[in-house]
Amino acid sequence: GAGVSQSPSNKVTEKGKDVELRCDPISGHTALYWYRQSLGQGLEFLIYFQGNSAPDKSGLPSDRFSAERTGGSVSTLTIQRTQQEDSAVYLCASSLVLYNEQFFGPGTRLTVL
Amino acid sequence: AQKVTQAQTEISVVEKEDVTLDCVYETRDTTYYLFWYKQPPSGELVFLIRRNSFDEQNEISGRYSWNFQKSTSSFNFTITASQVVDSAVYFCALGTPGSARQLTFGSGTQLTVLP
Repeated sequence: GAGVSQSPSNKVTEKGKDVELRCDPISGHTALYWYRQSLGQGLEFLIYFQGNSAPDKSGLPSDRFSAERTGGSVSTLTIQRTQQEDSAVYLCASSLVLYNEQFFGPGTRLTVL
Repeated sequence: AQKVTQAQTEISVVEKEDVTLDCVYETRDTTYYLFWYKQPPSGELVFLIRRNSFDEQNEISGRYSWNFQKSTSSFNFTITASQVVDSAVYFCALGTPGSARQLTFGSGTQLTVLP
């Protein structure tokens, strides 16, 4: 079946604008994760969902970041009032259940001018 | 707290050479999971292997092999007879039952295989 998909693949926005990043996990995967990868850096965990629930939001960098998941499937990561330091590749991953290996999408490259 | 250290930032080898990528981890948990991911220039992370802490058997998959040593908290990855297509950034990651919702990643090793 299809892997994890993310849209858009690239997003260029102006400072102060809001952006929405979308993730479609592998069908049947109950767990979904968001990570951020800045240029030349490792992966920074942002948030995870078990079903539609996100029990721990402490990984989100600021209150400008929010995420939701509906129907146990698609997830949206929203960044409000974007700043230049938000520029990064945002990666989504899913796993069949928690503790299993995570399969990653191609990422969304966000550039804030 | 968990930590993964990949001390080799960049490695460059000539095709057909063997290369080992080092990974050292830290965790207080007695049960944990170790992973290796490959990130080719296209950017998409590709899952390579998962190893549970209670299974210390080494594993071989084609040209890839992994050496798990609990005594030294290491989970090293060896590519035998490297090929140009192996050029990528390789990440080692650690998950524990309490935090397996997320993975703690190392900073990655950029492997370049020259023809």
